Amino acid sequence: SSELTQDPAVSVALGQTVRITCQGDSLRSYYASWYQQRPGQAPVLVIYGKNNRPSGIPDRFSGSSSGDTASLTITGAQAEDEADYYCYSRDSSAQGVFGAGTKVTV
Amino acid sequence: QVTLKESGPVLVKPTETLTLTCTVSGFSLSNARVGVTWIRQSPGKALEWLAHIFSNDEKSYRTSLRSRLTISKDTSKSQVVLTMTNMDPVDTATYFCARILGTSLYYYFDYWGQGTLVTVSS
Repeated sequence: SSELTQDPAVSVALGQTVRITCQGDSLRSYYASWYQQRPGQAPVLVIYGKNNRPSGIPDRFSGSSSGDTASLTITGAQAEDEADYYCYSRDSSAQGVFGAGTKVTV
Repeated sequence: QVTLKESGPVLVKPTETLTLTCTVSGFSLSNARVGVTWIRQSPGKALEWLAHIFSNDEKSYRTSLRSRLTISKDTSKSQVVLTMTNMDPVDTATYFCARILGTSLYYYFDYWGQGTLVTVSS
């Protein structure tokens, strides 16, 4: 089965930019989606596809992909962006996989 | 608006079978390229994808749990049911259902239920 690798934790100063990466073979064929999870809450979709934001997600969130790596960038991080972020992708057998998550500290 | 709500037991004993129901509203389980997925999260741990079912009845299961999982849907009741057999304390987790949308290039989960905590203990 596929695996997605994320850095366990990153920190960013208020108003600065942070990039979270997700690496895995499935990302060579399929786009990742990204989820924000605050403590005690259900995850929230922030990016999907090539670089699509659901309604209500601030435009400081953006996504990109190159080779086997997908990235989520927060440009001008805010205090409310402090959360765990998970990438997800499908694989060629239509199974799904999440990364282990990245804890973002602002 | 789109909502999903999980229901099921909060406590199950080891070796028992867990049955969870996801009741959806605001969309139909017969809509093209739409389905429901189940995801769990053990306390303090990462999200873990379990299974999904699409409107065309296409199903997929986590390889490591395939022998224990069954997913089904009742479109008329707007419900998706997940059963997991032979429960073990390591299966203690919050179980989420979410709406899955699929294309040839990606899947994503745009609406989530609040989750339901299931504890496995004798």
